[in-house]
Amino acid sequence: ETVLTQSPDFQSVTPKEKVTITCRASQSIGNKLHWYQQKPDQSPKLLIQFASQSFSGVPSRFSGSGSGTDFTLTIDSLEAEDAATYYCHQYHTLPRTFGQGTKLEIK
Amino acid sequence: EVQLVESGGGLVKPGGSLSLSCAASGFAFSSYSMNWVRQAPGKGLEWVSSISSSSTYILYADSVKGRFTISRDDAKNSLSLQMNSLRAEDTALYYCTRGNNSTNDYWGQGTLVTVSS
Repeated sequence: ETVLTQSPDFQSVTPKEKVTITCRASQSIGNKLHWYQQKPDQSPKLLIQFASQSFSGVPSRFSGSGSGTDFTLTIDSLEAEDAATYYCHQYHTLPRTFGQGTKLEIK
Repeated sequence: EVQLVESGGGLVKPGGSLSLSCAASGFAFSSYSMNWVRQAPGKGLEWVSSISSSSTYILYADSVKGRFTISRDDAKNSLSLQMNSLRAEDTALYYCTRGNNSTNDYWGQGTLVTVSS
C-alpha cells in the first residue's frame, strides 16, 4: 500500500499569506497525485490533477508541483474562503489512498 | 452540469445490509468509471470501490472485499453499492464520485450510513 503523509496536519494562517502543503509518498507514484479541497460540511472538490495541472475553474492562486515521492500544493495570497482541509490522493497503485489531510484555519 | 446524488443511507444494526444508489446526470455516464469513497465522522477520506465503464474491471478496498458489491446500470445512469455484513467501522458518509483519467473529478453530497445496535 502506498502511504501518503501530509505536513503539516494543521496550520493557522493570515489572509494574503503564502501557504505550502507537502505530501510524501512511501513509494514512487510518478505524477498520479491529485489534490482535493474540502470545506466544512461540503464534499471534496478536485483542485490539482497529475501533480501540477489545475482543474477547471480553480483559482490561479492554487498550484501544484512534484513527482515521484514528493509533492507540494501552494496557495499564493491566501483568501478567507480557502479555509478548508486539503487532501492529497494517489491513483498509481492499489489500493487508492489519501493523505491524512491538512486543515487550514484563517486567523 | 455534472450532478451526482446519493441515496439509501440510514441506520442499520451490525451484521445488517444496506444498498446505496447514486443517480448521475449531466454527462455521458456509460463512458466513465465510477467510484465510492467514504469518510468516517471527523476523519479523512477512504477509497472503497471502483467500477470501470462497461464494468470491465471492478476493484475493492481490502476492508470491504467480500462484503460490498459495486454495480452500475448504464440505461438508468445509476451506480449502486450493496453492503452486507455491516460493521461499526463502516459508519461513514459515502460519496459517489466520477472517475476521469485517474481522478475523482466530481463528487456527490454523500449519504450517511450508521451501523449501530
